[in-house]
Amino acid sequence: GAGVSQSPSNKVTEKGKDVELRCDPISGHTALYWYRQSLGQGLEFLIYFQGNSAPDKSGLPSDRFSAERTGGSVSTLTIQRTQQEDSAVYLCASSLDDRAGTQYFGPGTRLLVL
Amino acid sequence: GDSVTQMEGPVTLSEEAFLTINCTYTATGYPSLFWYVQYPGEGLQLLLKATKADDKGSNKGFEATYRKETTSFHLEKGSVQVSDSAVYFCALSSSSNTGKLIFGQGTTLQVKP
Repeated sequence: GAGVSQSPSNKVTEKGKDVELRCDPISGHTALYWYRQSLGQGLEFLIYFQGNSAPDKSGLPSDRFSAERTGGSVSTLTIQRTQQEDSAVYLCASSLDDRAGTQYFGPGTRLLVL
Repeated sequence: GDSVTQMEGPVTLSEEAFLTINCTYTATGYPSLFWYVQYPGEGLQLLLKATKADDKGSNKGFEATYRKETTSFHLEKGSVQVSDSAVYFCALSSSSNTGKLIFGQGTTLQVKP
């Protein structure tokens, strides 16, 4: 079946602009995660959605970052007023279970802020 | 807080050499432990996992044993191939949180023919 898909695959933007990154999880997966992979910080957790529960936003680095998940499926990560330090690969993952369930990762969106 | 420490790379080996990548963790409770691999130009994919102490995860000739007494989950392979060249990430998922993964810094493995 189809895996996790993300769009766009690459995004170049100017400092100060807003960007939206999209994630389509595997059908039927109730848990969805966003991570960021950057040279300086490695792989870090950003936000987690599970069903209709309130999301765990504890990893979001600033209030410029937000995310939503509509209808329990597609998720959008929004970065407002982008800064150069936001440049990274943004990864989305989904899983059937939010504990020891395997997380399946998408190919990522590579964001470059000029 | 919870954390994962893995040996720094890059690690360069000749084909058929023995591989060990060390990983230790700090966590409250009883986390699940994972090794993820990222091949060049590809996304992260699960290599193996173990969910309780003394469990051994294995896949594609790789093995790792969950050692609670030493808080370790070292990755091993008896004979590496050029196709194993990739970045390897050790990670944990705490039993007390949402299942989010906490990753080590990653270890780059290069296998030369």
